[in-house]
Amino acid sequence: SAVISQKPSRDICQRGTSLTIQCQVDSQVTMMFWYRQQPGQSLTLIATANQGSEATYESGFVIDKFPISRPNLTFSTLTVSNMSPEDSSIYLCSVDIPDRVGEQYFGPGTRLTVT
Amino acid sequence: QKEVEQNSGPLSVPEGAIASLNCTYSDRGSQSFFWYRQYSGKSPELIMFIYSNGDKEDGRFTAQLNKASQYVSLLIRDSQPSDSATYLCAADNYGQNFVFGPGTRLSVLP
Repeated sequence: SAVISQKPSRDICQRGTSLTIQCQVDSQVTMMFWYRQQPGQSLTLIATANQGSEATYESGFVIDKFPISRPNLTFSTLTVSNMSPEDSSIYLCSVDIPDRVGEQYFGPGTRLTVT
Repeated sequence: QKEVEQNSGPLSVPEGAIASLNCTYSDRGSQSFFWYRQYSGKSPELIMFIYSNGDKEDGRFTAQLNKASQYVSLLIRDSQPSDSATYLCAADNYGQNFVFGPGTRLSVLP
């Protein structure tokens, strides 16, 4: 599997501000995914980020609210824009390892609290 | 809307017993199925995957798949208190991404 890191690990933000979350992998991967996990809930896919193309967003998530960058095969960012308390959640990135097709591995997550 | 269903639990089993976790999925097109373990405050960890009908064993874990019934299960033999966690079932979405179930909380009692 790959080593995946996320920054920051946690943050407390004021409503109306934006936070950019970074995801770094120690090897090149094709697909990177961003999930949200609200307290006591399962994982909800926000978007899929492929290098060299626009991110694909799931129903209920829009680019203006969650812009994503994927500048290379080892790095991606997710921005949570114009935050409200409803955005308080854990945000997780995951990757699809090229030689382990179909298996996703998760980063440690970013715990976001919006006040 | 593709769905993956799990009993949310909690499922409580005594130490040393077999824990049986179940999952059903709605899309017959799903080909691959994954079990993740998530400890409180941690990110999900892949523990098993299965593509073919039947059983797949890995140590104390056995995944079972029945595509005709759209049913996936995970058996944990000789359950230990360290197995206490939430277990998430996921089905692939035509190789593009995953659909996750709500998770089953397992508690192994010493």
